[in-house]
Amino acid sequence: GQQLNQSPQSMFIQEGEDVSMNCTSSSIFNTWLWYKQDPGEGPVLLIALYKAGELTSNGRLTAQFGITRKDSFLNISASIPSDVGIYFCAGLPNDYKLSFGAGTTVTVRA
Amino acid sequence: DVKVTQSSRYLVKRTGEKVFLECVQDMDHENMFWYRQDPGLGLRLIYFSYDVKMKEKGDIPEGYSVSREKKERFSLILESASTNQTSMYLCASSITGTNYGYTFGSGTRLTVV
Repeated sequence: GQQLNQSPQSMFIQEGEDVSMNCTSSSIFNTWLWYKQDPGEGPVLLIALYKAGELTSNGRLTAQFGITRKDSFLNISASIPSDVGIYFCAGLPNDYKLSFGAGTTVTVRA
Repeated sequence: DVKVTQSSRYLVKRTGEKVFLECVQDMDHENMFWYRQDPGLGLRLIYFSYDVKMKEKGDIPEGYSVSREKKERFSLILESASTNQTSMYLCASSITGTNYGYTFGSGTRLTVV
């Protein structure tokens, strides 16, 4: 399946900071999804976006479905230590098979 | 909530062994998937199935096979395990015709020695 371009590959957060990551694709998607994977666990769905231009929040998380339908971003506001993990973007074209980004690894800055 | 259960969290197997990874979902999902996850490579699709007894190759099927005899169960088989198959394996399921995405299991960390 097509791999999405997710950036940054990794980031360090300090408690209280706002952080942002994004995903781009050469293809149009009808749905964008953001997952988080805690260490040693499977990915869990954070936010689902179904409409171009849509902005959706889930607590301190905000995600947007790009107008071109080829990109999406995820913001985390006021980071806390439990935000560490790997964040994956995923896009759903017309069939049921998701395309995933390579992930953004979030680590706490010492 | 949909639950996807992978039978083992950790497995250690010897090179050349036949290995079975089991995945069961309890919400009548049609589609099931097997991924492997390696640092820096993200999630790579091995095989998927959209119906009982149906299977399709993903991006990296070599060295693997699958079995789906019942709707709720999707098994990944390593016919002859090799050290380069040491990885985290994730099973997922989804409903056909919806855009709700996948529900993942907790993963199986397989080490081949």
